[in-house]
Amino acid sequence: DVKVTQSSRYLVKRTGEKVFLECVQDMDHENMFWYRQDPGLGLRLIYFSYDVKMKEKGDIPEGYSVSREKKERFSLILESASTNQTSMYLCASSSKQPGGYTFGSGTRLTVV
Amino acid sequence: AQSVTQLDSHVSVSEGTPVLLRCNYSSSYSPSLFWYVQHPNKGLQLLLKYTSAATLVKGINGFEAEFKKSETSFHLTKPSAHMSDAAEYFCVAPWRTGRRALTFGSGTRLQVQP
Repeated sequence: DVKVTQSSRYLVKRTGEKVFLECVQDMDHENMFWYRQDPGLGLRLIYFSYDVKMKEKGDIPEGYSVSREKKERFSLILESASTNQTSMYLCASSSKQPGGYTFGSGTRLTVV
Repeated sequence: AQSVTQLDSHVSVSEGTPVLLRCNYSSSYSPSLFWYVQHPNKGLQLLLKYTSAATLVKGINGFEAEFKKSETSFHLTKPSAHMSDAAEYFCVAPWRTGRRALTFGSGTRLQVQP
């Protein structure tokens, strides 16, 4: 069964910490994405990558960075966590064809 | 950038009655459009997608959606709601021309009453 795996289901971090959220896919997909999901706002695109070492900003990249050193792994980095980054973070991957995202189960991050 | 607007944040229906979840999109051309579903404490799942082959698209679990260019709408329907349909539904479109990312609507929470 194909999968997108996010390393943590729940995470609690302190304000100012550097936080790493990891995502791994086993489908040999070119594209990988990070979204955050907040009630009433749907999913908002943070960053995405269409190739190793390539990245592109989404709608809300401020306060975040990403790393894609290998095709199967896409990491989201919160440089200095703040309380307004408390959210559900969803990773997804897709092939070159439009649509057909496969989502991970999400990481619920709480910043205190 | 393209966008999608889901006209209802919350819809409540009785089991066995029809479901209508409304979505309008903004685009200067006919885009690809999708509906995704998220059941409580579950991951997001593709329900159906429109890619210009046919204006009426059938998806999983008896759902379908009709693309209406004149109305810039892509409403999701189901003839008879089931309790298991209770979930949050997202209308989705390509984020920007030539980019492989998707943009999501704000979501519609469907409640099904017994």
